[in-house]
Amino acid sequence: DAGITQSPRHKVTETGTPVTLRCHQTENHRYMYWYRQDPGHGLRLIHYSYGVKDTDKGEVSDGYSVSRSKTEDFLLTLESATSSQTSVYFCAISEFDEQFFGPGTRLTVL
Amino acid sequence: DAKTTQPTSMDCAEGRAANLPCNHSTISGNEYVYWYRQIHSQGPQYIIHGLKNNETNEMASLIITEDRKSSTLILPHATLRDTAVYYCIVRVEYGNKLVFGAGTILRVKS
Repeated sequence: DAGITQSPRHKVTETGTPVTLRCHQTENHRYMYWYRQDPGHGLRLIHYSYGVKDTDKGEVSDGYSVSRSKTEDFLLTLESATSSQTSVYFCAISEFDEQFFGPGTRLTVL
Repeated sequence: DAKTTQPTSMDCAEGRAANLPCNHSTISGNEYVYWYRQIHSQGPQYIIHGLKNNETNEMASLIITEDRKSSTLILPHATLRDTAVYYCIVRVEYGNKLVFGAGTILRVKS
């Protein structure tokens, strides 16, 4: 299995609080991605990175920001969490073609 | 990226071949067909991809019609562990983004 970890794996927070999710890889892959998955929807891309300090928006980026200061870490931040951001968040990595996914983070915003 | 259409769900008997269809009538000449699957609550897993020739690996076979407007993923001897949501995705090779639809829920039954 590709070396991808996500932390925390579960989090419950309150509306209006900031939240940061971390994705860590040991594969030295260039590309990293953040997706969210909600009932009735497939995975939807939030943001992705194609190198250190190089990031771009996905299809559902509003309310989220990302940072990548090191190859191995990709952070997803919810500046002020809302209930609509309750979801399961998946990180993925890729070098050439195949994307490898992490185990997911279940976030609940009350 | 071209849009794909898959059946909502399918059943398959354990030990039999599972044939999962996908329509992608608007596929472009430089777009590949990718298949991923997601076992309950886990991150998606890459299965196979192809351009126009049939492809086979240790997990599955991919049959693409000559006009490339549809394809079939074949799991030759389905097991209970193959019960998952299967996603057919069309994109350019080495493209950054995977656009997930709703996929097909495959239930393998004993």
